[in-house]
Amino acid sequence: QQQVKQSPQSLIVQKGGISIINCAYENTAFDYFPWYQQFPGKGPALLIAIRPDVSEKKEGRFTISFNKSAKQFSLHIMDSQPGDSATYFCAASGLNTGGFKTIFGAGTRLFVKA
Amino acid sequence: EPEVTQTPSHQVTQMGQEVILRCVPISNHLYFYWYRQILGQKVEFLVSFYNNEISEKSEIFDDQFSVERPDGSNFTLKIRSTKLEDSAMYFCASSDGGTGANVLTFGAGSRLTVL
Repeated sequence: QQQVKQSPQSLIVQKGGISIINCAYENTAFDYFPWYQQFPGKGPALLIAIRPDVSEKKEGRFTISFNKSAKQFSLHIMDSQPGDSATYFCAASGLNTGGFKTIFGAGTRLFVKA
Repeated sequence: EPEVTQTPSHQVTQMGQEVILRCVPISNHLYFYWYRQILGQKVEFLVSFYNNEISEKSEIFDDQFSVERPDGSNFTLKIRSTKLEDSAMYFCASSDGGTGANVLTFGAGSRLTVL
């Protein structure tokens, strides 16, 4: 119930291509779905996030598509660049017992070939 | 831009020793968290802290772990008797209240190596 399943585990994309990472969740109490980007040796940093009242959110080259009925959401990176090479984590959270607990997916290692 | 700061960046300890990891969350944030990441693996929730008490903890956060906010700025994670499997990157995070409560800002992490 608390899991967030993420795929693929790794992804290689040509520069200029589209990177797509998918996630699925089970707990319908989740009400916030962020994507975090992590570079080696750094902490995760919030990239983009969506709440379940909208089906899509776009910020620059990054778009989240959200399917509430299927309990799935995905990250699309348009015009992928070598600087986008990082590990991407989807996550989900919701108010639990007075605090917010964010559950992370297993991560996707993206490598963008120049 | 405000940031979460963590110390030390790397600590090496012997099995069975006590370790304290320190964090200074963003000053006006209300929620505080510890997560850990074993090398190359997922980011795992350990504990959340709000209003000077633990609000939620995971199965990982057993009696060997404790958290404290000893003053108005620091947030610490103590591991009483470290085990080899405690070797990981430990991330502190904080978040605002209200609609920003689940928007986490992470520190750079403290790498713990237990020998």
